[in-house]
Amino acid sequence: AQSVTQPDIHITVSEGASLELRCNYSYGATPYLFWYVQSPGQGLQLLLKYFSGDTLVQGIKGFEAEFKRSQSSFNLRKPSVHWSDAAEYFCAVPGEYGNKLVFGAGTILRVKS
Amino acid sequence: DGGITQSPKYLFRKEGQNVTLSCEQNLNHDAMYWYRQDPGQGLRLIYYSQIVNDFQKGDIAEGYSVSREKKESFPLTVTSAQKNPTAFYLCASSIRTEAFFGQGTRLTVV
Repeated sequence: AQSVTQPDIHITVSEGASLELRCNYSYGATPYLFWYVQSPGQGLQLLLKYFSGDTLVQGIKGFEAEFKRSQSSFNLRKPSVHWSDAAEYFCAVPGEYGNKLVFGAGTILRVKS
Repeated sequence: DGGITQSPKYLFRKEGQNVTLSCEQNLNHDAMYWYRQDPGQGLRLIYYSQIVNDFQKGDIAEGYSVSREKKESFPLTVTSAQKNPTAFYLCASSIRTEAFFGQGTRLTVV
C-alpha cells in the first residue's frame, strides 16, 4: 500500500540557516508527490508538487524539493529559513487508484532567532 | 474568489449529541474529502466522494456520516457513536489528485 514516512517529528533551525525536511514514500509506480505547509489552526497550503519531468521542483516561498527515485525520497529544502517559515510540513502521495492523498505524520519546524 | 469554506471555525458539542460540520467549495471539483487531524498523527481520511451521490469510507469512518447531494457541498456529521470526537477537521477538494483545503473546524466535546 502507498505510504509516506517523515522521519523527523520536530526540527529546529536558526533563522538564516538552510533547511532540509525528509520524506520517503512507498509507491508502486512513478508517483505524484506533494509538500504542504500548515500554520497553527489553519488549513494546508500547497508548497510544491512533482508530476513528471525535471526532478528538481520549485515551489512557493523559496522552497524546492528533489525527487530521487533510487532513494524513494522527495526531500524539501530551503537555502535560508525565515522566522515566518515556522509551521508544520506534510509530504503526501496518492493512495491506491490515485483517488486520494496519503499524508506523512508531519514535521514541525521551529525557527530560532 | 475560488476556494473551500468550512464552518463553523470552532464548535462545541455535548456528549451524546450529533453535530454537522459544513464544507462548501466553488472550485467545480468532483472529488471532496474529510480528514481528521490529531497532534502527532498527521491527517487521517474519514470519508471521500468522487462524484455527487456517491461516497466511500476512509480509514476512520466509524462514528461519522456524510452526504453528497450537491457537487459543491460535502457536510460531515459527527455522531454520538464517535467515542473521541475532539479534533481538528479538514475538508478538501481535488483535481488531478492535487488537494485544496479549507481552514478547518476545531470540534471540542464539553
